[in-house]
Amino acid sequence: DSGVTQTPKHLITATGQRVTLRCSPRSGDLSVYWYQQSLDQGLQFLIQYYNGEERAKGNILERFSAQQFPDLHSELNLSSLELGDSALYFCASSATGTGADTQYFGPGTRLTVL
Amino acid sequence: AQSVAQPEDQVNVAEGNPLTVKCTYSVSGNPYLFWYVQYPNRGLQFLLKYITGDNLVKGSYGFEAEFNKSQTSFHLKKPSALVSDSALYFCAVRDSWGAGNMLTFGGGTRLMVKP
Repeated sequence: DSGVTQTPKHLITATGQRVTLRCSPRSGDLSVYWYQQSLDQGLQFLIQYYNGEERAKGNILERFSAQQFPDLHSELNLSSLELGDSALYFCASSATGTGADTQYFGPGTRLTVL
Repeated sequence: AQSVAQPEDQVNVAEGNPLTVKCTYSVSGNPYLFWYVQYPNRGLQFLLKYITGDNLVKGSYGFEAEFNKSQTSFHLKKPSALVSDSALYFCAVRDSWGAGNMLTFGGGTRLMVKP
């Protein structure tokens, strides 16, 4: 158990809908990351937050947004969902957000868009 | 830009034999290199990392990896494979240059250890 928690574990929804994925980092970690894992794209970095501020952005669609709250938990919002958004979404956390930090991953949220 | 290649989609090895899972990388600055393992329906578990120093890094569950700067490689090794090592292995890199701390992952290598 990495100490990173994600809810829900599974999410099934329809095209055009909006969902929110939640992540709680390990105790004491200030940085949160979101990754998407799909069969065709592999594991891709979406976005990083550090202590409430956006630190880095990767291949995140405009339909997707995220935020990190004062208690350091993070939410990833996915809107106008398409079939291709079906994937496993991972949250990870690290202590300080620097390059040498180890990122610890949560169990993921499996999103299925029908 | 940073990138990682795992040239083998699958590696098959007999239990008790040594195993190697290959990884090569490309970065502009100095690399921070990581290995993770993913079991079915589970998240990624951290195995080991190279930041600086000794080129041979030891990690969890008896795994180790050797950093080779001239060959830009970071191969994962274990002297004696177990059936329970069967899983999906990911190599990841972070460039020491640039903002943020994004990891770039390879495509993954499925390790199959047969009894």
